[in-house]
Amino acid sequence: SQTIHQWPATLVQPVGSPLSLECTVEGTSNPNLYWYRQAAGRGLQLLFYSVGIGQISSEVPQNLSASRPQDRQFILSSKKLLLSDSGFYLCAWSVGQNGYTFGSGTRLTVV
Amino acid sequence: SQQGEEDPQALSIQEGENATMNCSYKTSINNLQWYRQNSGRGLVHLILIRSNEREKHSGRLRVTLDTSKKSSSLLITASRAADTASYFCATEVANDYKLSFGAGTTVTVRA
Repeated sequence: SQTIHQWPATLVQPVGSPLSLECTVEGTSNPNLYWYRQAAGRGLQLLFYSVGIGQISSEVPQNLSASRPQDRQFILSSKKLLLSDSGFYLCAWSVGQNGYTFGSGTRLTVV
Repeated sequence: SQQGEEDPQALSIQEGENATMNCSYKTSINNLQWYRQNSGRGLVHLILIRSNEREKHSGRLRVTLDTSKKSSSLLITASRAADTASYFCATEVANDYKLSFGAGTTVTVRA
């Protein structure tokens, strides 16, 4: 069956520290992969998406970067976190027009 | 940028009543999707309606799409306490992999 794993579930990081959030997908090949961020009580903002290994498209200029080292692995990174990077980060995958499958999310608090 | 806008922002109903929420969008779409998010969790895909479809059903869910008005509605019939969640519409534009989400409707079902 198809599953998506996202970790960690919660993270508290100091300003200026690095970040690495990982997302892996099982049970499907060559998925489209996405990173979204959700501010409290708000909708989802698309940060990055990838249609293949090494192919990353950025939607919003910011302090974050993404990489796809393997077909089913998507990583969100930052070299130096800002307070404004706090939020709920969601990874998702899709194949064709069948809707997205989301991970359980990572709540990041930058202090 | 945010494509879909849900209305109302919040809805409180009694168990057993129907809940209706609306979504309006701005540009032509390939399909429109509805998702549910329980507090602090990832989003769950509920239903996808294509641009050439007008109505779709899934269990207690009924979705309509009016492309001339660029709007959609989600009806939850015979609501249950477990339906308490935020509901988001999301649109996929033709030849694009990305979903644009609205800010969501928060539904509270009172027992």
